[in-house]
Amino acid sequence: EAQLVESGGGLAQPGRSLRLSCEASGLNFDDHAMHWVRQAPGKGLEWVSGISWNSGEIGYSDSVMGRFTISRDNAKKSLHLQLNNLRAEDTALYYCAHSKSRGYFGGTFDHWGQGTLVTVSS
Amino acid sequence: QSALTQPASVSGSPGQSITISCTGTSSDVGGYNYVSWYQQHPGKAPRLMIYAVSDRPSGVSNRFSGSKSGNAASLTISGLQAEDEADYYCSSYTSSRSWVFGGGTTVTVL
Repeated sequence: EAQLVESGGGLAQPGRSLRLSCEASGLNFDDHAMHWVRQAPGKGLEWVSGISWNSGEIGYSDSVMGRFTISRDNAKKSLHLQLNNLRAEDTALYYCAHSKSRGYFGGTFDHWGQGTLVTVSS
Repeated sequence: QSALTQPASVSGSPGQSITISCTGTSSDVGGYNYVSWYQQHPGKAPRLMIYAVSDRPSGVSNRFSGSKSGNAASLTISGLQAEDEADYYCSSYTSSRSWVFGGGTTVTVL
């Protein structure tokens, strides 16, 4: 059974950092792109960042560009998101999502984790 | 990148068909066949229902179908059932090498 399990969320003050992780099992992690999607409390979905199967292509939304860094370790079947210089508007449930596509381009998000909650507040 | 436009809510009686629209631009929905639809029940993770405009993943009921015309995509749920009550989001790849979601539509089964 395909499973994605996120961790690393918590409470952080504005300007501080957090590192999110996503561990994959039961699915083909190595050959597929991965993404982070977030959902603010009571709001809709927002794509945050994506990375191709071999880390050769990476992309970020305008709202996190320059502050967040995505990375992956195929040997450990894990995906990471480093969140720096956090803002109140970054408060959200962060989902890790597996792509049907190998590359960064196109594809769709066919498997999702349950999310890890990031709260940014002083 | 602006969010795709979806109606805030759609409702129907059991057994009826409903359609949810998703309007974008030529830079997203109209420019690529990478339109997907996701179902989200309260407190749950999103679930992929339709991808590549009209393809259904295995395990998704054939009561769900998708289509696209120009800059607008649609999700149709036929034979509406109580379990279909949820939020639905469309998404599309964009020319900015990013993904954009719709604001979400709450489906209510009367």
